[in-house]
Amino acid sequence: DGGITQSPKYLFRKEGQNVTLSCEQNLNHDAMYWYRQDPGQGLRLIYYSQIVNDFQKGDIAEGYSVSREKKESFPLTVTSAQKNPTAFYLCASSFGQGLSSEQYFGPGTRLTVT
Amino acid sequence: QQQVKQSPQSLIVQKGGISIINCAYENTAFDYFPWYQQFPGKGPALLIAIRPDVSEKKEGRFTISFNKSAKQFSLHIMDSQPGDSATYFCAAPRDGNKLVFGAGTILRVKS
Repeated sequence: DGGITQSPKYLFRKEGQNVTLSCEQNLNHDAMYWYRQDPGQGLRLIYYSQIVNDFQKGDIAEGYSVSREKKESFPLTVTSAQKNPTAFYLCASSFGQGLSSEQYFGPGTRLTVT
Repeated sequence: QQQVKQSPQSLIVQKGGISIINCAYENTAFDYFPWYQQFPGKGPALLIAIRPDVSEKKEGRFTISFNKSAKQFSLHIMDSQPGDSATYFCAAPRDGNKLVFGAGTILRVKS
């Protein structure tokens, strides 16, 4: 059954702690993305990766880090430097460059930092 | 930077009515415009997409209309049902295979 999985669904952390969100896909997609969703603001791009061992900052990368050691995995670390980390985080993937850039999303991780 | 303006923010429609959501985009060299549907607590799901070599694309009760000269595209949901109640996002391509999303429209279909 192909798709994108994110874990955990809910995550609670204390302020000042780093936390890593998991994203795995078995769609054989080259490109992967991380978005942050806040009420009324749509989806904002945090980081993206078009190939293994390469990734680029999106629009709101400050306070976040990623790695892309395997094609199917793109974990996101929310560091203590992120000023307002509580949000709904979405991972997506697509086949890659070009016009056929349909992105498929995972179910999301809701992070609450207190 | 490419931006997409989506309206309205929220929409209430009677069951059986037509829901219309509009989006406007800026200049782009790429031609792919998807719509996503998101239910509470879930990830967005690709609903329908259009490439502007056509002005309209229909899939079941969902239709995208595209006006390239006006840089606008819209989603029409015919015979709206309570199960269509969700948040809808339009998107437009930006530099490569990235997308920029509209702010979303919360649709409520009253039974």
